[in-house]
Formats: sequence, C-alpha cells, structure tokens
Amino acid sequence: EIVMTQSPATLSVSPGERATLSCRASQSVLSDLAWYQQKPGQAPRLLIYGASNRATGIPARFSGSGSGTEFTLSISSLQSEDFAVYYCQHYNNWPPYTFGQGTKLELK
Amino acid sequence: EVQLLESGGGLVQPGGSLRLSCAASGFTFSTYAMTWVRQAPGKGLEWVSAISGRGGNTYYADSVKGRSTISRDNSKNTLYLQMNSLRAEDTALYYCAKALPSTLAIFDSWGQGTLVTVSS
Repeated sequence: EIVMTQSPATLSVSPGERATLSCRASQSVLSDLAWYQQKPGQAPRLLIYGASNRATGIPARFSGSGSGTEFTLSISSLQSEDFAVYYCQHYNNWPPYTFGQGTKLELK
Repeated sequence: EVQLLESGGGLVQPGGSLRLSCAASGFTFSTYAMTWVRQAPGKGLEWVSAISGRGGNTYYADSVKGRSTISRDNSKNTLYLQMNSLRAEDTALYYCAKALPSTLAIFDSWGQGTLVTVSS
C-alpha cells in the first residue's frame, strides 16, 4: 500500500498571502495525484487532478505541481473561503487509493 | 446538475449488517465508475471501495475486504454498499462519489454522506 504523508499538519496563513502545502508518496505515483478541499460539515471537493490540472470551476489561484513522490498545492492570495482542510490522494495503478492525513489551513 | 444522495446509515450493533444506498441523478450513471469513501468522526478520508461503470470490476480496501460488497443497479441509477460483520472501527460518515470520465479514482462529485454508528 502506498502511504501518502502531508505536511504540515496545520498551516497558519494570513488572507492575501500565499500557502504552500506538501504531499509525499512512499513510492512513485507518477502524476496520478489529486487534491481535495473539505470545509467543516461539507463533502470534499476536487481541486486538482493529474498533479497539476485544475478541476472544473476551480479558481486559478489554486495550482498543483510535482511528480513521482513529491507534490505541492499552492494557493496564491488566500481568500477567506480557502481556509479548510486539504487532502492529497493517489490513484496510481491498483487500489487502495489512499489519502494523506490532511493539512488544516487556518487563519493567522 | 449531478446529485448524489446517500441513505441507509444508522446505529447498528457490532457484528450487524447495513446496506448503504446512493441515488444518483443528473448524469448518465452507467458510464461512470463510482466509489465509497468514509470519514470517521474528526478524522481524515479513507477510500473504501470502487466499482466500474458496468459493475464488472470491483475493488476494496483491506479494512473492509471480505465483509463488504459494492454493487450497482444501473436501471435504478443507484449504488450500494452491503456491510456485514460491522465493527466499532467502521463508525464513520460514508460518502459516495462519482469518478471523472474514463477514470476509476478521481472523484469529482460527492454526496453529503450517511452516518454509520457501530455500538452496543
């Protein structure tokens, strides 16, 4: 099973600043990596797939990068609605399609 | 508009069974893979099971393998998860999710979840 590790667990950032979240896979997942956003009491929302492709309707301030084992989600100029928990998930090859443990992005 | 509505959750004793359902609308159900993802209270997301569009291929996490069966009725636009021999650690909010076209595990639409509580 591929283990996904996210860092940091919590990130405190001020509105208008840039946030950078990291995700590491225990073995290469090529570019088979997705990012999801989850707000309290809501279902997750797909942000990024294929490591760098924005999902439909996702603002351009969200960007993803990386391949192999190291991935980054960047959010430029944070808006109030961006404070949430973010999960990475691999979908390389066979299941299980594991998620990272999440990074909580909080208001500084 | 894609809509996914889960049902079937509830309180069940350890060792009991439940069948979760997910009613889908707003898309051609039979052409998309579907999945179940769960979230224990205050915890992260855990992929549980997936099924191909026509239902011929199914996949399970080790944590539920042998105890759960995913299925779908494309004539009713409904996804199911039969869960047996339930344990306390199965307590979670269970989401159904739709996959992107031609993929198995990129989840672009999610329901609001149904809560399963396993307790005596």
